[in-house]
Amino acid sequence: GAGVSQSPRYKVAKRGQDVALRCDPISGHVSLFWYQQALGQGPEFLTYFQNEAQLDKSGLPSDRFFAERPEGSVSTLKIQRTQQEDSAVYLCASSSRTGEKYFGPGTRLTVT
Amino acid sequence: QQQVKQSPQSLIVQKGGISIINCAYENTAFDYFPWYQQFPGKGPALLIAIRPDVSEKKEGRFTISFNKSAKQFSLHIMDSQPGDSATYFCAASKETGANNLFFGTGTRLTVIP
Repeated sequence: GAGVSQSPRYKVAKRGQDVALRCDPISGHVSLFWYQQALGQGPEFLTYFQNEAQLDKSGLPSDRFFAERPEGSVSTLKIQRTQQEDSAVYLCASSSRTGEKYFGPGTRLTVT
Repeated sequence: QQQVKQSPQSLIVQKGGISIINCAYENTAFDYFPWYQQFPGKGPALLIAIRPDVSEKKEGRFTISFNKSAKQFSLHIMDSQPGDSATYFCAASKETGANNLFFGTGTRLTVIP
């Protein structure tokens, strides 16, 4: 594909459920980022991968949030025991080692 | 702590007018300042970016002005069009690529026909 893709585009979860959000970066992009965007706010950094290595997870809000990129391509953001405050759009971005970041369309998570 | 402060929160401009959005930062280690445009239901898309070695960069109707001493930068949209109606985010980071972007809170621009 030409760009970053994310699935699902929309996810409704009941409080306490686990969810998994997928990101397919642009082919060949080494760097992959996850951001959380609350309604009416700018994206906020969650975590960063370089290939399969998670080099920075300082933005993950709690230990309920977990991300992986086992083969250095597709990444999954998992949220365990979802809470209402987890409701947001989750954006994935990829880039070459020195290039611009390209964002996917995001996954809108609603926790009821 | 907001690393990048953005104003105004919303902006209404007549078609053909100039839209101006301002941002300020504190971290002097930042040396890459992009602007992103986001339409509803879409991810942010890079519009234009500047590095601190220049004071201005222009691409078509979009211009970034950069004031290193004041730690401020702004986006000017000339001849604003209804299709420019979107949310605009300024951001800052240490270089591109591997480094995290810190975003402003966004400006919702509406261009009235």
